[in-house]
Amino acid sequence: EVQLVESGGGLVQPGGSLKLSCAASGFAFSASAMHWVRQASGKGLEWVGRIGTTGKSYTTAASVKGRFTMSRDDSKNMVYLEMNSLKTEDTALYYCTGDAFGLGDSWGQGTLVTVSS
Amino acid sequence: DVVMTQSPLSLPVTLGQPASFSCRSSQSLVHSNGNTYLNWFQQRPGQSPRRLIYRVSNRDSGVPDRFSGSGSGTDFTLKISRVEAEDVGVYYCMQGTHWPPYTFGQGTKLEIK
Repeated sequence: EVQLVESGGGLVQPGGSLKLSCAASGFAFSASAMHWVRQASGKGLEWVGRIGTTGKSYTTAASVKGRFTMSRDDSKNMVYLEMNSLKTEDTALYYCTGDAFGLGDSWGQGTLVTVSS
Repeated sequence: DVVMTQSPLSLPVTLGQPASFSCRSSQSLVHSNGNTYLNWFQQRPGQSPRRLIYRVSNRDSGVPDRFSGSGSGTDFTLKISRVEAEDVGVYYCMQGTHWPPYTFGQGTKLEIK
């Protein structure tokens, strides 16, 4: 069974940093690109970024470019989202999701990030 | 960026009746490789999204066959042949042809009349 479990969310002040983790199991993780997607309370889905299979390259949305970085550890089946210079508008539920036949074949339960003073 | 526009934003449907969701893109979603990367997601209240359809018309594993996807170019449709109570939620289309960024529609909320 495919499983994605996010962790690392919490309350952080504007300008602060947070690192999210996503533990994957049940599929060929090293052969799969991975994505982060976020959802502000009561709002729609917003793509945050994608990391490729080698982990050497990732692409992020313009709204987070230069502030968020992605990485992966295939030995641990983990993907990470490091968030710096956080803004109040980054407050959202952050989902990790897979990329079999395109984005979104599997989703975690999400981890909540709240940016507030 | 490709803009995805869904309609209607709210869809009241009687149990057992069909439902149809529309999604339009601001440019053709046909990739240079010939594939069209248009997916549909369901998000039930309080739950994570779930993909129903990938590449326009391919149902994901475990998705009931009352769900079907169709369309081409810039115009796409998700249909439920007979709505059940468990289908209540928000439905999103998403394009993955012209990325970055991947872009979602604003969602259509299905409710029971």
